[in-house]
Amino acid sequence: QQPVQSPQAVILREGEDAVINCSSSKALYSVHWYRQKHGEAPVFLMILLKGGEQKGHEKISASFNEKKQQSSLYLTASQLSYSGTYFCGTRNAGKSTFGDGTTLTVKP
Amino acid sequence: NAGVMQNPRHLVRRRGQEARLRCSPMKGHSHVYWYRQLPEEGLKFMVYLQKENIIDESGMPKERFSAEFPKEGPSILRIQQVVRGDSAAYFCASSPGSDTGELFFGEGSRLTVL
Repeated sequence: QQPVQSPQAVILREGEDAVINCSSSKALYSVHWYRQKHGEAPVFLMILLKGGEQKGHEKISASFNEKKQQSSLYLTASQLSYSGTYFCGTRNAGKSTFGDGTTLTVKP
Repeated sequence: NAGVMQNPRHLVRRRGQEARLRCSPMKGHSHVYWYRQLPEEGLKFMVYLQKENIIDESGMPKERFSAEFPKEGPSILRIQQVVRGDSAAYFCASSPGSDTGELFFGEGSRLTVL
């Protein structure tokens, strides 16, 4: 079963913050996040392997709560380049499934 | 170090023809995944392969679609007797292992069925 993402879409002004959530009905052992710009391939952002782990990449960070089977992606002081669709993915027995994505639009 | 290579990047077929999409994983990667993406939609898992083996094909339509990853050469996703609903972007990804680590995606093959 694929993870569920929320919200479906977010519109921000440059400098504003956003949070994207990802949850699963199945036990999560790892969560990975990708960003895809229109017409391009998804690009890896980060992977979280342990419950409660937080990681960061520039001004983008993420948390992973294994007990709640949830992960959140935090985008701080968003830049125009952050625009795109963000996918969370989970792996089970090697198979990776993705949520439906959250489209982030950052306006000047 | 070349990334995941997919070809063709764009393919146009008429209804009833066959489409063959190729994917060469990154060097050293023996795990390949195929995903389908319709416009403005998410990445839908199709199949997961290791060299010469199909590990999970639960996302593949039962008819007309097949995938292989031979010992030598690229992985191939084959769609027989294409229909308009097959029009989509097909992404291939590879990884060195099965349980952890990121997936490296190719640029995708965009299939248009007329």
